[in-house]
Amino acid sequence: SAVISQKPSRDICQRGTSLTIQCQVDSQVTMMFWYRQQPGQSLTLIATANQGSEATYESGFVIDKFPISRPNLTFSTLTVSNMSPEDSSIYLCSVTKPRWVQGPTDTQYFGPGTRLTVL
Amino acid sequence: KQEVTQIPAALSVPEGENLVLNCSFTDSAIYNLQWFRQDPGKGLTSLLLIQSSQREQTSGRLNASLDKSSGRSTLYIAASQPGDSATYLCAVRRISGAGSYQLTFGKGTKLSVIP
Repeated sequence: SAVISQKPSRDICQRGTSLTIQCQVDSQVTMMFWYRQQPGQSLTLIATANQGSEATYESGFVIDKFPISRPNLTFSTLTVSNMSPEDSSIYLCSVTKPRWVQGPTDTQYFGPGTRLTVL
Repeated sequence: KQEVTQIPAALSVPEGENLVLNCSFTDSAIYNLQWFRQDPGKGLTSLLLIQSSQREQTSGRLNASLDKSSGRSTLYIAASQPGDSATYLCAVRRISGAGSYQLTFGKGTKLSVIP
């Protein structure tokens, strides 16, 4: 398995401000992802965080709104910029581990999430 | 575009009962299917993963089946306990054209096991 921590666990922010969420994993991982879970909705992939290069964003998500960094194999940040109430969601970090560690299953592990409320 | 549907949206059962949660997906070209559990205010815990070449996986009281051709999976929970109360999410992975692995989630089934 993988032990994933996220900071902060929750926050209440004002409209127009930005929040940076941190994701730390206990061991080397291959892929890191950021998901959003809006109230009553399923999880939606925001982007894949690539080490040392720009993140790969899914349709409907852009770098200016959700800048992502991944400076090393075990750490990533997601920033929610210029927030509006529509950004109120749970944001989850997710990882897969190298196949030489967990075999060819590509099991995906999730962090505890960051609950964001924008007023 | 892959769509994942979970039925029912909510389920309430008495303790000790066996139950089945359903998941269907529209595109059968999947790499694998994963069942998760989400407790209120918490992240996701992986329960079972079924590769596209497999028919079922078992872990303790849980058994997950996969019928890729019909686009269906079921999660069977035997002898349910109050501690099983949570939201259960189904997710499928397909290899995108770019080569990245993308999970598509259903909205989940909220299970309540009554003591």
